Amino acid sequence: DTGVSQDPRHKITKRGQNVTFRCDPISEHNRLYWYRQTLGQGPEFLTYFQNEAQLEKSRLLSDRFSAERPKGSFSTLEIQRTEQGDSAMYLCASSLGRGNNQPQHFGDGTRLSIL
Amino acid sequence: SQELEQSPQSLIVQEGKNLTINCTSSKTLYGLYWYKQKYGEGLIFLMMLQKGGEEKSHEKITAKLDEKKQQSSLHITASQPSHAGIYLCGASGDSNYQLIWGAGTKLIIKP
Repeated sequence: DTGVSQDPRHKITKRGQNVTFRCDPISEHNRLYWYRQTLGQGPEFLTYFQNEAQLEKSRLLSDRFSAERPKGSFSTLEIQRTEQGDSAMYLCASSLGRGNNQPQHFGDGTRLSIL
Repeated sequence: SQELEQSPQSLIVQEGKNLTINCTSSKTLYGLYWYKQKYGEGLIFLMMLQKGGEEKSHEKITAKLDEKKQQSSLHITASQPSHAGIYLCGASGDSNYQLIWGAGTKLIIKP
């Protein structure tokens, strides 16, 4: 059983650099979500895809963040000109597209540290 | 906007004891999810509740959604070291797809 896969698991970079994370969802899931989580907090919604269409994007997401899901399978999240405040765990989740209230299944996340 | 408050923030329990974690919403809940997270890892789906009064169990974990659908509780019976971790409740937010989350309850099991 292949779950949600995220790469890399850890990323350390200097402030001002660009970073890109990848998420491979469960194969039959057409919905994909990105969240950000800081220590001691629950995940914070960033964006949502249904197939290749980005249908929702958090108002908190600055224009330095961009996400794609070009073929409706894997997704990438890019952060440009990283800042100290971007240090967090970035979580990807996927779910089935049948109706609402389908449980989301999470990957193990990418932990980003900005020096 | 809807908010979820979890209590307690942290809990230390002797192995073998029972415990309860609560999740209270500022608005009516239309789908309430319980997840478990170990430090540095992703969230593991435990249970989903939708109907007022609904109760679900998996192994020694039972979750309930109250009749008014504004509070859920997670009860663990005869706790074991494997139950240690952070328990998070999530609910459908202002949109149909994004979830909002409580801050989590950190559970430590003392041997």
